[in-house]
Amino acid sequence: DAGVIQSPRHEVTEMGQEVTLRCKPISGHDYLFWYRQTMMRGLELLIYFNNNVPIDDSGMPEDRFSAKMPNASFSTLKIQPSEPRDSAVYFCASSPHTQGNEQFFGPGTRLTVL
Amino acid sequence: KQEVTQIPAALSVPEGENLVLNCSFTDSAIYNLQWFRQDPGKGLTSLLLIQSSQREQTSGRLNASLDKSSGRSTLYIAASQPGDSATYLCAVWGFGNEKLTFGTGTRLTIIP
Repeated sequence: DAGVIQSPRHEVTEMGQEVTLRCKPISGHDYLFWYRQTMMRGLELLIYFNNNVPIDDSGMPEDRFSAKMPNASFSTLKIQPSEPRDSAVYFCASSPHTQGNEQFFGPGTRLTVL
Repeated sequence: KQEVTQIPAALSVPEGENLVLNCSFTDSAIYNLQWFRQDPGKGLTSLLLIQSSQREQTSGRLNASLDKSSGRSTLYIAASQPGDSATYLCAVWGFGNEKLTFGTGTRLTIIP
């Protein structure tokens, strides 16, 4: 398996623009997680899905952020409108079906909002 | 609320030395604890996973221990090499939480 795949790897946009980050989890993994990493706050969980259903979105910073998982092999994280404080590295991770299993991370998307 | 702490934030040691990285957590109700490595500008690589019922796990030169009752874990690296230079993060998966809570990491530099 190719591991967790994220695209794009780098994104530079201007404030107010819509940004869409994409993730393909490892095949057969039932859990999918979106994280954000910044120097100030470290790694924070934004939202996670179990079998394509959002379970906990309490980490989503505000209504400008939304995430979807239309099928088992694809998820998106959208920011609209984007702001400079959204600049961070966004990671997607997946985990097998059993609760508490090892998480496998993608390479991340480095987002810069000017 | 679970809090995970890693001390020190940064560590430099000469090549060849053995070293220990520390991780502490406030709530002992966990499924497991996971150690990750992160290279600059890269994603996280899982190193070791310790289930709550286990005391330690080993992989090559790495050994991770878990003392759930005291809320502590250590990552032992034997015979350190320059290639071990990276940031090491620990994370715990808590009961009723279904998510990982990460520490802030220890940035390790191995001096050739």
